[in-house]
Amino acid sequence: DADVTQTPRNRITKTGKRIMLECSQTKGHDRMYWYRQDPGLGLRLIYYSFDVKDINKGEISDGYSVSRQAQAKFSLSLESAIPNQTALYFCATSDFQTSGGTYNEQFFGPGTRLTVL
Amino acid sequence: GENVEQHPSTLSVQEGDSAVIKCTYSDSASNYFPWYKQELGKRPQLIIDIRSNVGEKKDQRIAVTLNKTAKHFSLHITETQPEDSAVYFCAASIRKVLTGGGNKLTFGTGTQLKVEL
Repeated sequence: DADVTQTPRNRITKTGKRIMLECSQTKGHDRMYWYRQDPGLGLRLIYYSFDVKDINKGEISDGYSVSRQAQAKFSLSLESAIPNQTALYFCATSDFQTSGGTYNEQFFGPGTRLTVL
Repeated sequence: GENVEQHPSTLSVQEGDSAVIKCTYSDSASNYFPWYKQELGKRPQLIIDIRSNVGEKKDQRIAVTLNKTAKHFSLHITETQPEDSAVYFCAASIRKVLTGGGNKLTFGTGTQLKVEL
């Protein structure tokens, strides 16, 4: 079944450590996104990529970097983790039909719960 | 950039009653408004969406209305059931055919809906 997967699902780390969260998809979608979810703040966009050569900052990109290794893979890195990056992180994908400029649904991965001590 | 406000943050209803969640957006260029449902411990999933060329859309017990002049849109759930208990997110996006920015969603902060027996 075509899906969006994230690894690891849970991670506990210490302040100052470098962390990479990985996202893979078998949906064949060009567009991929990283969000973080915090209680009371909803889903906030960190980075997004519309194809392998296109990377864009979202509303909260400071302290994060990304790599689009292939159409199917989009990784999020925290270069030096800090406690306020403790959150639930979601990867998402979407397709885009150029005919009529139709929007398509975003499909989310299962999430990665990251705790920075 | 776009700003989406969502109210209420929590909503408790009796089974069989209706529930209404309201969102406002700031950018008059926004023209796509999806709603996502996130059950406890699960990933967000699209339940309904509306584009700016229509004022209302229905799908069984759920409906969404859009008022472009006032820049607000609402989710209506009728005959609520226990399985409707979840967090609901509204979002807004600007269509940009063939250029960057299309499908980049700005989410509201979420509404925790509890349907009581």
